[in-house]
Amino acid sequence: GAGVSQTPSNKVTEKGKYVELRCDPISGHTALYWYRQSLGQGPEFLIYFQGTGAADDSGLPNDRFFAVRPEGSVSTLKIQRTERGDSAVYLCASSQRTTGELFFGEGSRLTVL
Amino acid sequence: GENVEQHPSTLSVQEGDSAVIKCTYSDSASNYFPWYKQELGKRPQLIIDIRSNVGEKKDQRIAVTLNKTAKHFSLHITETQPEDSAVYFCAARESGGSNYKLTFGKGTLLTVNP
Repeated sequence: GAGVSQTPSNKVTEKGKYVELRCDPISGHTALYWYRQSLGQGPEFLIYFQGTGAADDSGLPNDRFFAVRPEGSVSTLKIQRTERGDSAVYLCASSQRTTGELFFGEGSRLTVL
Repeated sequence: GENVEQHPSTLSVQEGDSAVIKCTYSDSASNYFPWYKQELGKRPQLIIDIRSNVGEKKDQRIAVTLNKTAKHFSLHITETQPEDSAVYFCAARESGGSNYKLTFGKGTLLTVNP
């Protein structure tokens, strides 16, 4: 596609529920990133994929967060037993390995009630 | 890991004035420093970047300077216009291996008053 696509754009859920956020990167981009952005803050790194494998998952806050990229393209961020503190905009970005410029999606706004 | 500090957190200027945003970073191995602009409710978009082998880079009204010794870099916007109003983020990339992770500053809300 022309840009990074993220779905859903908005997700409202109740505390304790499970959510999945999807990212479809720019075609041909091998690197994919998930960031989390809280109000008034900069994007906070969560996890980075190079191809199918998670090259760096040091930003995942705890074991309730998990992400996959099984075929090296689309990625899903999975959050179990959601908490109110998980409320944020989850940004996905992709890049060509050689240039390193990140192209961001519009984000998925998660609200946990 | 890398730590990026950004100042000021808010900046208000009159149209036509210049705006300067400053960032410092902690990891001397970082070698790529982009700046992103984020309008309200929109995605962050790259506006300019600089690599550690260059001291200054300019693109029309926007320029970035880098001081590797002091580990700081700055964004300069001249002849500001109301459409420059947005949140600006600096970032630094750790080098080493194949990790292209960017660490972002907390952002600067720039308001250009007509």
